[in-house]
Amino acid sequence: GENVEQHPSTLSVQEGDSAVIKCTYSDSASNYFPWYKQELGKRPQLIIDIRSNVGEKKDQRIAVTLNKTAKHFSLHITETQPEDSAVYFCAASRGNDMRFGAGTRLTVKP
Amino acid sequence: GAVVSQHPSWVICKSGTSVKIECRSLDFQATTMFWYRQFPKQSLMLMATSNEGSKATYEQGVEKDKFLINHASLTLSTLTVTSAHPEDSSFYICSAGLRGSGYTFGSGTRLTVV
Repeated sequence: GENVEQHPSTLSVQEGDSAVIKCTYSDSASNYFPWYKQELGKRPQLIIDIRSNVGEKKDQRIAVTLNKTAKHFSLHITETQPEDSAVYFCAASRGNDMRFGAGTRLTVKP
Repeated sequence: GAVVSQHPSWVICKSGTSVKIECRSLDFQATTMFWYRQFPKQSLMLMATSNEGSKATYEQGVEKDKFLINHASLTLSTLTVTSAHPEDSSFYICSAGLRGSGYTFGSGTRLTVV
């Protein structure tokens, strides 16, 4: 089955700096890659996603890139703000089978 | 759209009792719902895939007789933790969505077994 690895597990940046979180997946048939943000005690919220026929997608300060050949995808957050502090999960799916990375705890210091 | 409601948000029960958690899709029909378990500071671990009108598909290592899943309608799936023990204490969260799209999560249920 699919195996998703996520790095780093923790990330601390200064407000205004950029943050990058990387994930790799094992199943070449995976075709959908969402990213979720989970604040403490709350449900994960979808923040951006990308499909296998696209190499990059951007939404304001958030962007995701996908390298199908290397089977890795990354989340980029620019101009980070304290409210970006949360745990971020990547996921890879094929049909209904979605697997999550272990998560990255992002701390943005004011 | 794609609102998922989960109830209760927290529950405390005694060892040996059973607890039922409900997951509802409010504005769409979900033929498939998913149940996850999340330990503190860890990722979401898929427990089972709930299929409307048929048996759930359990992940390896998940006891189907302990974690009973019923998906009797297109908008409701229930997870029953039977004969709960303290080690079952965890955050349980459901999700639903369209195939090949981002899932919407319920608000989660924090179960504490004492």
